[in-house]
Amino acid sequence: RKEVEQDPGPFNVPEGATVAFNCTYSNSASQSFFWYRQDCRKEPKLLMSVYSSGNEDGRFTAQLNRASQYISLLIRDSKLSDSATYLCVVIDRSGAGSYQLTFGKGTKLSVIP
Amino acid sequence: EAQVTQNPRYLITVTGKKLTVTCSQNMNHEYMSWYRQDPGLGLRQIYYSMNVEVTDKGDVPEGYKVSRKEKRNFPLILESPSPNQTSLYFCASSLSIRPAETQYFGPGTRLLVL
Repeated sequence: RKEVEQDPGPFNVPEGATVAFNCTYSNSASQSFFWYRQDCRKEPKLLMSVYSSGNEDGRFTAQLNRASQYISLLIRDSKLSDSATYLCVVIDRSGAGSYQLTFGKGTKLSVIP
Repeated sequence: EAQVTQNPRYLITVTGKKLTVTCSQNMNHEYMSWYRQDPGLGLRQIYYSMNVEVTDKGDVPEGYKVSRKEKRNFPLILESPSPNQTSLYFCASSLSIRPAETQYFGPGTRLLVL
């Protein structure tokens, strides 16, 4: 069984802080990686994809470390609106032309005024 | 507006009373799936469908059925609901299941089985 592990938190950080989350995965052949954001039991929404070379979107930076089998999400200058649960998603090939998505259980972030 | 819709959004039912949760997407997506989300367990996939008439089991399919007769619709059927199926259910779709595709989620259905 493929495993995707996240620290559940909660991470309580003050506004303006930098915070980082990690997500480890068990299958060294995993194909693709994403970070999703979920607000208070609403539907998850894509935050960003994670590319091998690392990628940045404003205050958010995602990185992939294939050797150690983890992905990371860094949030700089935290805003109150960043408070949410962050889910990592790993996609693996599960057969000819078929792929399986596995979600981590999420890391809860609370940004405090 | 591109979206995934689910109905009903909230449902209270009793053990054994068959129910159907509908899911519809207007984006011409090939891939659709159902998840349940429970505290401490995260999102777990119930069933998925690669295309019309093609469905397959996810991680937790027991007690559920699905069908994919049309591309846009992917209903979830609980033939004989039990209290352990009380959960928050999400339908999701994507253009395909190629690794780079974004999953679009419906707003969720909160189910309580008494």
